[in-house]
Order: sequence, then structure tokens, then C-alpha cells
Amino acid sequence: KNEVEQSPQNLTAQEGEFITINCSYSVGISALHWLQQHPGGGIVSLFMLSSGKKKHGRLIATINIQEKHSSLHITASHPRDSAVYICAVGTSTTGNQFYFGTGTSLTVIP
Amino acid sequence: KAGVTQTPRYLIKTRGQQVTLSCSPISGHRSVSWYQQTPGQGLQFLFEYFSETQRNKGNFPGRFSGRQFSNSRSEMNVSTLELGDSALYLCASSPGLAGSFYNEQFFGPGTRLTVL
Repeated sequence: KNEVEQSPQNLTAQEGEFITINCSYSVGISALHWLQQHPGGGIVSLFMLSSGKKKHGRLIATINIQEKHSSLHITASHPRDSAVYICAVGTSTTGNQFYFGTGTSLTVIP
Repeated sequence: KAGVTQTPRYLIKTRGQQVTLSCSPISGHRSVSWYQQTPGQGLQFLFEYFSETQRNKGNFPGRFSGRQFSNSRSEMNVSTLELGDSALYLCASSPGLAGSFYNEQFFGPGTRLTVL
């Protein structure tokens, strides 16, 4: 049983395209995180949200608590956006736990 | 500010040995969390320490343990290594008093452990 499901698993886009990555979860959450992992392993936290919408530069994250769904949008994609994007949820309903999605591998072609 | 540092960056051990990994958080951060990443299981939460106390724990066997020192530096220990323990071990620090999942996490570069 996967508490966090991401789609798509792989995504290839042309530079400049608008990109959406989806995350669905099955547990009650305290907060949802979007992470970015570049080749070589380094992970950067992009967003942490528990409601509504956040924007940082070309990145937008939204969450719908009722539908247990979050989306990460990248506007005007660029080759440097190529990375694995991981959704993670923190929950206290089954003990304090962190669950991760399997990631979406994004490749942006110039 | 210096980022999160982890040592060593690479490590090769044999089955049955034990290993200790170290993590130095960002100055002023009091929470340190540990994660395991493998190709098969992806990222998994190991545990979180705050003010020298384990605050949260994932679903890993007792062979995986950790501790935190008064300067917030943390160590993770794996005893009786198994082949399946080969993974990238990441630590992350955060400043807040709330649990790790309520705070933005700042990740270190990871320690890549290979068990032969």
C-alpha cells in the first residue's frame, strides 16, 4: 500500500512548456512537501504547504485537502529544471511519520 | 551560513559489520532527521532527533539507531549490516520546535553506503 502516489513517473518536455506533476495521498496530513533531487543525489526543499497555494519564481504548488491532492506546476520550463521531483507528506494520524512518493523524473529538452 | 554536512561521503563495508555516519546541521538548527534512499524503496524516513531526544521514528528494525549531541550534531549507526542496507543515507536539519514534517528541511549531500 502506497500512502503517496505521484504521476507521471517520467515526463519529457520541450523548453518553455508548462509542466504539471500530481501527488495524491491517502492519509490525513500535517503538511505536504515538494522536493527536487538532481543527479548526484542532492535534495532541495521546494515547498512546504498545508493549505492553498504557494509560488516561488516559476514554480507553483497547490493543495486540495478535501481531495487529498497536490500539484506542482513549472511555468516556462528550462533544461535546468531537469530533475526528480518528490512529493512527501507528514502525518500524525498513524504516529508521526513521513511518507514519500516514488518521484517524477523530468527532462526538459532545449 | 554553511549547509548541512555529512561524513563520510562514500563508504564500503561488508556484511555483518557496523557503520556510523555523521551529520552536522546548519548552525542554529536543532532538529536532525535521517532518511534512507534506495532504487527499490525510494526515500524512507528513519528517525528525527531534537534536543538530543528521538522525537519521531520510521519503520526500521532496531539495527538502525541514532543519537544527537548537545551541539545538535547527529550520528546514525547501523549494526550487523545486510546487503539490503546499501543505500544513500541523507540527513536534513530544520530550525523549528515543531516536528520535522512541519518545517522546511535542509538536506545534506548524503553518504553512499555499499555493503558487499
